[in-house]
Amino acid sequence: QKEVEQNSGPLSVPEGAIASLNCTYSDRGSQSFFWYRQYSGKSPELIMSIYSNGDKEDGRFTAQLNKASQYVSLLIRDSQPSDSATYLCAVNDSGGSNYKLTFGKGTLLTVNP
Amino acid sequence: DAGITQSPRHKVTETGTPVTLRCHQTENHRYMYWYRQDPGHGLRLIHYSYGVKDTDKGEVSDGYSVSRSKTEDFLLTLESATSSQTSVYFCAASQGSYEQYFGPGTRLTVT
Repeated sequence: QKEVEQNSGPLSVPEGAIASLNCTYSDRGSQSFFWYRQYSGKSPELIMSIYSNGDKEDGRFTAQLNKASQYVSLLIRDSQPSDSATYLCAVNDSGGSNYKLTFGKGTLLTVNP
Repeated sequence: DAGITQSPRHKVTETGTPVTLRCHQTENHRYMYWYRQDPGHGLRLIHYSYGVKDTDKGEVSDGYSVSRSKTEDFLLTLESATSSQTSVYFCAASQGSYEQYFGPGTRLTVT
């Protein structure tokens, strides 16, 4: 059973701080990693993808990948109250095709004004 | 906007009745997926489709069936609804990559 683990939170940070969200995965063959943001009562929205070791930056978001440690993280700089949401980590299933993903249970982030 | 709609958006039904949820997409995505999301379990894959009339089971497929007769439509059927199938159901689609885009969801309550 492939697993993707995240701290459930809640993670609470003050406005303007850096929020750090972490994810570990069990499938050593995985090559594609995603972060989704899900507001309460809404559907998941893809915000970041990363495929290579290292950092990938997009605006205030930075995804970090370390395949040797099977670890993915998402940093949110200058956190805003509008960033308050649940963040889902998703990892591709390497054993087959059809582009399946395994999702973590999500980390609830609260940004306090 | 990935052009994915789901209907109905909310439904209340009684135990033992059949229920069909519809996912419709306008972007000609080849791959479509049905998930359920429950507190403490996250998103779990029910069934998926890799083309018209081509479907396969996910990790929580018992009690569910699917059909895909057209590229744009993917139907999820609960053959005899049970209270354990009370959940939020999401459809997702992808165009031959691991990037999946989600519909707005259907909240189903089985009483």
